Amino acid sequence: AQSVTQPDIHITVSEGASLELRCNYSYGATPYLFWYVQSPGQGLQLLLKYFSGDTLVQGIKGFEAEFKRSQSSFNLRKPSVHWSDAAEYFCAVGAQGAAGNKLTFGGGTRVLVKP
Amino acid sequence: NAGVTQTPKFQVLKTGQSMTLQCAQDMNHEYMSWYRQDPGMGLRLIHYSVGAGITDQGEVPNGYNVSRSTTEDFPLRLLSAAPSQTSVYFCATRGQGYTGELFFGEGSRLTVL
Repeated sequence: AQSVTQPDIHITVSEGASLELRCNYSYGATPYLFWYVQSPGQGLQLLLKYFSGDTLVQGIKGFEAEFKRSQSSFNLRKPSVHWSDAAEYFCAVGAQGAAGNKLTFGGGTRVLVKP
Repeated sequence: NAGVTQTPKFQVLKTGQSMTLQCAQDMNHEYMSWYRQDPGMGLRLIHYSVGAGITDQGEVPNGYNVSRSTTEDFPLRLLSAAPSQTSVYFCATRGQGYTGELFFGEGSRLTVL
């Protein structure tokens, strides 16, 4: 079964500083990887996804993530954080076949942005 | 275009009561699912459906029932609510393909006393 670990529960970053959120996954085959963002009181919105090809993927709102198979990681980055990036971020892993119908989410990382 | 609509947004139940959380979508998506969100645990899949008449269990199905009689609707039933079912519930749909984006409703906050 697939699993996802987000080691950082909370991260505080100053506005304008860079941000990196860690995600480690466990899955035997090639995973499909996703990052979602949840603003307070809202549902989740897709930031970006990886399923094949270039291991550096670009998403919305200036975010990018890099798939590193050797490290089983899919870390999310943003060069310069804006106050509106304060939210909770979730990494998720899926796959082809029956496992693809059971997207597995990590525990989330809450990001606080200081002015 | 409403997307994914969940009702009610808030509900308080007493232990042992039953209720149904409603989920409706207007995107003609075959795949629909229910997740619960608890602090520090992310989202956990309860049940999912890949089309009308087809449902399957997720990671935490106990205490919940689902059915899918139409493409548009996927209700989640709690037959005898327990305090452990206090949570925020999200319905999500997906277009074709396992790499497709999940589209989430705004959530239903349930408290069981």
